[in-house]
Amino acid sequence: DQQVKQNSPSLSVQEGRISILNCDYTNSMFDYFLWYKKYPAEGPTFLISISSIKDKNEDGRFTVFLNKSAKHLSLHIVPSQPGDSAVYFCAGGQGAQKLVFGQGTRLTINP
Amino acid sequence: DVKVTQSSRYLVKRTGEKVFLECVQDMDHENMFWYRQDPGLGLRLIYFSYDVKMKEKGDIPEGYSVSREKKERFSLILESASTNQTSMYLCASSFAQGPLHFGNGTRLTVT
Repeated sequence: DQQVKQNSPSLSVQEGRISILNCDYTNSMFDYFLWYKKYPAEGPTFLISISSIKDKNEDGRFTVFLNKSAKHLSLHIVPSQPGDSAVYFCAGGQGAQKLVFGQGTRLTINP
Repeated sequence: DVKVTQSSRYLVKRTGEKVFLECVQDMDHENMFWYRQDPGLGLRLIYFSYDVKMKEKGDIPEGYSVSREKKERFSLILESASTNQTSMYLCASSFAQGPLHFGNGTRLTVT
């Protein structure tokens, strides 16, 4: 039972454009969501989070949107830069601890 | 800056061997976690610990055990390694409800 799903294994975006990564979840008890970024040979690093009391959280070029009725969240990166090329994982849970992760989306930013 | 150190980057073990994966964090975090990452499956939680000598099962604990004798150290033990335990193993730590900080991972191959 995949409680958190990232249905796009990969995404390719032109440098300077907007990257939109999507994530769906099934567990309505989840009240906290996070995005992590992972480069090859490194562990995931925390990017941005959102709690269920909000529908948007912004940090510089990164914005996360949460649609609770659709059980959907998305990560917007604008403008996209070559250094953004990585695998992105979304995660959800009750609180920030026992998280369930999606399968990951490989983002490639083309010059 | 938080540092989570996993003792080995690469390990090759034989089927049936007992395997120890070690993880140390330097930020006095109460919470520590072991995940495994597999293609198409994302990160799956094996075990976690909220305090010294305390442990809780994650989503896939079968075939694994853990030990937390000191706050900064969390060990994952494969009692009798099998080929289906070939994977990337990621250790993480966190403070209270803060985000997880991951180590760089140990790629384990069981032959």
